[in-house]
Order: sequence, then C-alpha cells, then structure tokens
Amino acid sequence: GAVVSQHPSWVICKSGTSVKIECRSLDFQATTMFWYRQFPKQSLMLMATSNEGSKATYEQGVEKDKFLINHASLTLSTLTVTSAHPEDSSFYICSARDTVNQPQHFGDGTRLSIL
Amino acid sequence: LAKTTQPISMDSYEGQEVNITCSHNNIATNDYITWYQQFPSQGPRFIIQGYKTKVTNEVASLFIPADRKSSTLSLPRVSLSDTAVYYCLVGRTGGGGNKLTFGTGTQLKVEL
Repeated sequence: GAVVSQHPSWVICKSGTSVKIECRSLDFQATTMFWYRQFPKQSLMLMATSNEGSKATYEQGVEKDKFLINHASLTLSTLTVTSAHPEDSSFYICSARDTVNQPQHFGDGTRLSIL
Repeated sequence: LAKTTQPISMDSYEGQEVNITCSHNNIATNDYITWYQQFPSQGPRFIIQGYKTKVTNEVASLFIPADRKSSTLSLPRVSLSDTAVYYCLVGRTGGGGNKLTFGTGTQLKVEL
C-alpha cells in the first residue's frame, strides 16, 4: 500500500517551455502533498506544501509564479515549471500523506533537463 | 524544526549488521523520528518510524533512548542492494503533519 506515482519520469525540453509534472496517490487519499527538488549529490529541498483544495505554501526563495502547484483532488497534484531555463534542470520529487500521523510516501521523481 | 546530524558515510560488508545513529538534540515532544532510504535517481523510500523505545518491522529496527535526543537505525545482515543513502528526519505527528527537513543523509556502501 501507500503508492505514489509520478509522471513523467524524464523530460528533456527547450528553454522557455513549460513542463507539467503529475503526482498521484494510487491507493490512498492524499490530503497533503509535498514537492521537493534535488540537485546531484545533494539532499532533498522542500519547495512547497499543498493541501487539497487550497493554495500551496511555498518555501522561502521558491517563486510561486514559476512553480505552479495545483492540488485539485485527493489523489492528484501537479507541478508546472513555467518558462523553464537550464538552471531549472533538476530532479523533482513529490510525496503524499493521508492523515497527519502517517509518514510521507514519495514518488520516484522526475528528471528535468532544460536545453 | 529539529536539526539532525548523521555520519556522512559508512562502509560495511554483506551479512553484517549496520547501525546508523542520528543525533537530534532539539527534538520536540510531538516529534516523531522517521528514516528513509534513497537509491540514485529514485524517490526516498520509507523504512521505519518511531516515537520512543524500540520499533521493529520486516526490514529494520529503530532504537530510541529515553531522552530521544538520538536514534539508531539497525539493518540486520545487509546485502549489496542496501547500498543507498539513508536519511533520518524528525518532525511533528509522524513527520508528515508538517514539513520535513532533509539533512545530508548517510551514504551506506555495502561490499562483498
């Protein structure tokens, strides 16, 4: 149980393109979803937290107009990287949890490469 | 948020027991301790979670002393496939109620 699916797993696109990443909880209802970014050989950095039906809460330094997060249902959250540039290239990972006393479960990440 | 400190790396051999200790001196009363495993180019995988004393599941044990200022993840009889980065996280209500702060993690390397 507690499976989180993330799609796509790998994206290569040109600079200026907008990219959407989907995160789905397959066998539980995700009241809260989290989006992380991880650069090579570094730890995960939290970008934002989203609760179903509410606006996402962004961490300091993360541009909310560049990283659009939608959490419209209890099983789906999306992260859209708008007008992506090479510096946005990274490994993006989502996680989800149902109740507050349960641990977060992570997707397998999306490798984003901007040319 | 409680800050965690772990060894940056550890080496072991197949069949040995590995113990990874994490320090979290500023742990709050409501904080749980959660451990994750991460392989390259994959998302972290939940290993175990605990609040106090000892927790055991099919893959690991978690030892938490009475003062809860540290915790030890114990992996029995490791294999090559246990080579990964292990993260110790501390947070309220199971580490899931509020945001998680990932530290540097411990790179475990298992050899033959």
